[in-house]
Amino acid sequence: DAGVTQSPTHLIKTRGQQVTLRCSPKSGHDTVSWYQQALGQGPQFIFQYYEEEERQRGNFPDRFSGHQFPNYSSELNVNALLLGDSALYLCASSLQGPEGYTFGSGTRLTVV
Amino acid sequence: EDQVTQSPEALRLQEGESSSLNCSYTVSGLRGLFWYRQDPGKGPEFLFTLYSAGEEKEKERLKATLTKKESFLHITAPKPEDSATYLCAVNAGNNRKLIWGLGTSLAVNP
Repeated sequence: DAGVTQSPTHLIKTRGQQVTLRCSPKSGHDTVSWYQQALGQGPQFIFQYYEEEERQRGNFPDRFSGHQFPNYSSELNVNALLLGDSALYLCASSLQGPEGYTFGSGTRLTVV
Repeated sequence: EDQVTQSPEALRLQEGESSSLNCSYTVSGLRGLFWYRQDPGKGPEFLFTLYSAGEEKEKERLKATLTKKESFLHITAPKPEDSATYLCAVNAGNNRKLIWGLGTSLAVNP
């Protein structure tokens, strides 16, 4: 049973560029949440998608956007990258809520 | 404002030396408290969910307990493979997100 799959695992981008991160949820899960985790910090909630709609959003600027597809997979897009966007981006899937979150291994984004 | 605080920030134990990690929370309407383990460069791995004061859950050398203000993760006779960062998170009210602590970095020496 495949867990949550994220791609790519590592990414290096230049300031001002745009990036797309991808997530395939655990089989049977319909809700996808994205978190940003800076080094030595706890994860920070970006947003959550359910039924292809953004259900809740954290305190992140509009440069951060997302999408959920009919097969429940999801993308996180970040425009106009800043150095401060460098972090581990985590995708978590669940059934309609935070209970029983399953996390992927994350995408390590480095902005130079 | 909802808040989660974990202590200590870092803990170093000898193999077999039992100890406890603390997670204190200030939230309105707790719906669940979660413990996760995170290895460097990896995503968090789910350990436990606790829903109400007095609840306890166990898994191998780990035992999680919950009161109205805090949770403890007890580690009995730890082994070097228990070395990791242990994260606590809460879900409260009508929120769909988890609010996280900064974690406790645990190192177990052989």
